[in-house]
Amino acid sequence: EAQVTQNPRYLITVTGKKLTVTCSQNMNHEYMSWYRQDPGLGLRQIYYSMNVEVTDKGDVPEGYKVSRKEKRNFPLILESPSPNQTSLYFCASSLSPPGERVNTEAFFGQGTRLTVV
Amino acid sequence: RKEVEQDPGPFNVPEGATVAFNCTYSNSASQSFFWYRQDCRKEPKLLMSVYSSGNEDGRFTAQLNRASQYISLLIRDSKLSDSATYLCVVNPDQTGANNLFFGTGTRLTVIP
Repeated sequence: EAQVTQNPRYLITVTGKKLTVTCSQNMNHEYMSWYRQDPGLGLRQIYYSMNVEVTDKGDVPEGYKVSRKEKRNFPLILESPSPNQTSLYFCASSLSPPGERVNTEAFFGQGTRLTVV
Repeated sequence: RKEVEQDPGPFNVPEGATVAFNCTYSNSASQSFFWYRQDCRKEPKLLMSVYSSGNEDGRFTAQLNRASQYISLLIRDSKLSDSATYLCVVNPDQTGANNLFFGTGTRLTVIP
């Protein structure tokens, strides 16, 4: 089954304790991205990756890091989480970047609900 | 100004009703338009792309008005299972853009 898998689904952590949210896709997609979703703000892009070893900042990158060592995996790293990073996080992948082909569908993982206390 | 704006609702409609959502976008060069559906606490899933000529998929009709920079979604004969949040999504520019811009969503509740 074609899917994007995120782990963990739920996480409560304390300020400053480094954490990683994993994301893996089995569709051989080139493009992957991370979003956060907050009430009243919609989904906002954190980082994206065009392909292996190619990553770039989205609209809200502060406090986050990513890596793309393999095509299928795109982990999100919070080196020193803070309460303002409490949010619902989604990883997404698509065959190509949104700007490359018209109407490219994005596939989303099931989400990670992160609470930083 | 937000890239994509939509009425957050909520829209509460009876089963069988017809309901329409609108969404406006700010970048006139935008090339790709979508409606995604998001169930409570779940991930967004593509409902349909929106084409210039308008398109229909069963009870769902999407239309694009480039002159006024808005897209719409019409749902006919609403079902209880249509209850969800509908996200308007726009790719702002065909060349070089690597982001999708999401509206905040319009919440629909279909009542028995």
